[in-house]
Amino acid sequence: DAKTTQPTSMDCAEGRAANLPCNHSTISGNEYVYWYRQIHSQGPQYIIHGLKNNETNEMASLIITEDRKSSTLILPHATLRDTAVYYCIVRVVDDYKLSFGAGTTVTVRA
Amino acid sequence: GAGVSQSPSNKVTEKGKDVELRCDPISGHTALYWYRQRLGQGLEFLIYFQGNSAPDKSGLPSDRFSAERTGESVSTLTIQRTQQEDSAVYLCASSYTAGGPAFFGQGTRLTVV
Repeated sequence: DAKTTQPTSMDCAEGRAANLPCNHSTISGNEYVYWYRQIHSQGPQYIIHGLKNNETNEMASLIITEDRKSSTLILPHATLRDTAVYYCIVRVVDDYKLSFGAGTTVTVRA
Repeated sequence: GAGVSQSPSNKVTEKGKDVELRCDPISGHTALYWYRQRLGQGLEFLIYFQGNSAPDKSGLPSDRFSAERTGESVSTLTIQRTQQEDSAVYLCASSYTAGGPAFFGQGTRLTVV
């Protein structure tokens, strides 16, 4: 599987959009980009995934560059409850393997 | 229930005892995962079940660890002769298909004293 690179940590202001970057320069054409987050003392929570088109759901938007070598997760209006570790994962289509790296620790500040 | 349910939520056991952790996946989900997360560490894959196929046990750290799943229902993770290094949160996840989004339970926090 392709590896991902994420910043170790970032701060965001409450009420503003939070833009979380992820590099996956070795991604293959048959690999999705998945995002999960883990709020302290809870199990990981699925956020969104995409192949090549941008995706949006009630939680977030996923913007994937045209060359698919990087992506950005956007939380449109960050709240204090969005403070968590965010994981960007590359996963082969139809493959069960789901490997978590270190992620980005996002702190939303009032 | 609507989500993945794990029990117990907390378990304290004495070193050398056996423990059994339970996972109830989302109804209709054919795939089930177990992960381990030590304090301050990342998620370690333990085992994967898919329907009636042979499970992927490649992440089990030793032969003291085993897991069972009957069909597409409940799974149990058993740790025999527990050691202090087994202290961790054990997380279960399920997904509708092998490559679909996996949804996690809240975990069982195991403390071996």
